[in-house]
Parts: sequence; structure tokens; C-alpha cells
Amino acid sequence: GAGVSQSPSNKVTEKGKDVELRCDPISGHTALYWYRQSLGQGLEFLIYFQGNSAPDKSGLPSDRFSAERTGGSVSTLTIQRTQQEDSAVYLCASSSSLASTDTQYFGPGTRLTVL
Amino acid sequence: AQSVTQLGSHVSVSEGALVLLRCNYSSSVPPYLFWYVQYPNQGLQLLLKYTSAATLVKGINGFEAEFKKSETSFHLTKPSAHMSDAAEYFCAVSSTGYSTLTFGKGTMLLVSP
Repeated sequence: GAGVSQSPSNKVTEKGKDVELRCDPISGHTALYWYRQSLGQGLEFLIYFQGNSAPDKSGLPSDRFSAERTGGSVSTLTIQRTQQEDSAVYLCASSSSLASTDTQYFGPGTRLTVL
Repeated sequence: AQSVTQLGSHVSVSEGALVLLRCNYSSSVPPYLFWYVQYPNQGLQLLLKYTSAATLVKGINGFEAEFKKSETSFHLTKPSAHMSDAAEYFCAVSSTGYSTLTFGKGTMLLVSP
């Protein structure tokens, strides 16, 4: 069956530009998570959605980061005025619910390089 | 608050040897523990998880892990390494009321012939 998909797979941008990263979760999964994987910080949580709602945005590194989810499905992570320290792999995951025991299924990630 | 420590950023074994990847956790509430594997340029794939049922958990590809509360550990083992096991392995923790995963720094497993 279809897994979590992310696009683009790679994105190279110039410092100061805005970027949008897209995540298509597994159909029917109500919970969606964004994580960031970087050499210095490892894997860190950014934000999660239950349906279209994001109750906790405290994991977003700065106010340049925002995310939304529409129709309980696709999610977009937007980074405004990108900086070099934003370079990382952005991973999206989905699960059938927000239960802590539910498996989170990860997409292949978007590798973002900010020049 | 919760955290995960993975001892050893790199572990090298010979094909056919025992694989042991260490994970220790810290959590103020009963934890749920996960091991994920990441192959190059791919996302994370769940190997196994502990959700407070049996303390010895069996996963895919012959891996297993044992939850030891007294040692706050959840080490990953496989009796006999295969070349295809070469990848990066991540231990993660969640807890009741907090479903987001907190990951360790990862351990790269290298398998030599």
C-alpha cells in the first residue's frame, strides 16, 4: 500500500528565500508529525497535527517556520527567509491516532540545502 | 521530560557475529520505547516497539530488544549479523499523553565480511 510521501526529495535554495515542503500521509491517518534531522542536532521534533489542528508549536525553531494541514490530509511546512542553519533533512510521519503506542510511519524526507 | 542515550555512534561487527546496540532512557513516567532503522537516503522504518506488554520484544529481520526497568535500558540485539543490516539505528521514547518521539543520536552499524 501507499506509504508517506514527501516532496520535493531535494531542495536547494538561496539564503533569504522561502521554501515549502509537502507531506502526504497514509490515507486515514489522523496524526501527522514533522521532524528535522541534522548533523549537529540529530532527530528533533518540530510540530504535530491532530486532524487539521496543531495544539503545540513549541518545537518550531523560530517564527520563520510555520505549518498547516488541510482536509485532514496533506501538510505543508513553510520556512521563510531561509538561513544556512535550516539545512537539514525534514521528515514527516503519520500514525492512525495520537496514542503514544501507535507506530509512526516515516516518509523518505526532503533534503534542504540553503546556500 | 524524557531523553534517550545511545552508547556508541558507530559499532562494527563481522558478518555472523552478535549485534548489540545500546539504548538507555530517562522518563518521569512509564515509557514506550521504539527502535527504528534508517538506510541511506531513506526514511525511518520501525524495527520493534515496547508498549508495556511483554518485556522481551521481537521485531523484524531477526532483531529483538528487552525492556529492563531497573537498568532503564532497551538494548537491541540480533544473534547473527548480515551484511544487509548495515544501517543507522535510532532508539526513541514516548510516554502516555506525549506521543511525539524523542530520539537518541543514532548508532551506525557497520558489518564486515
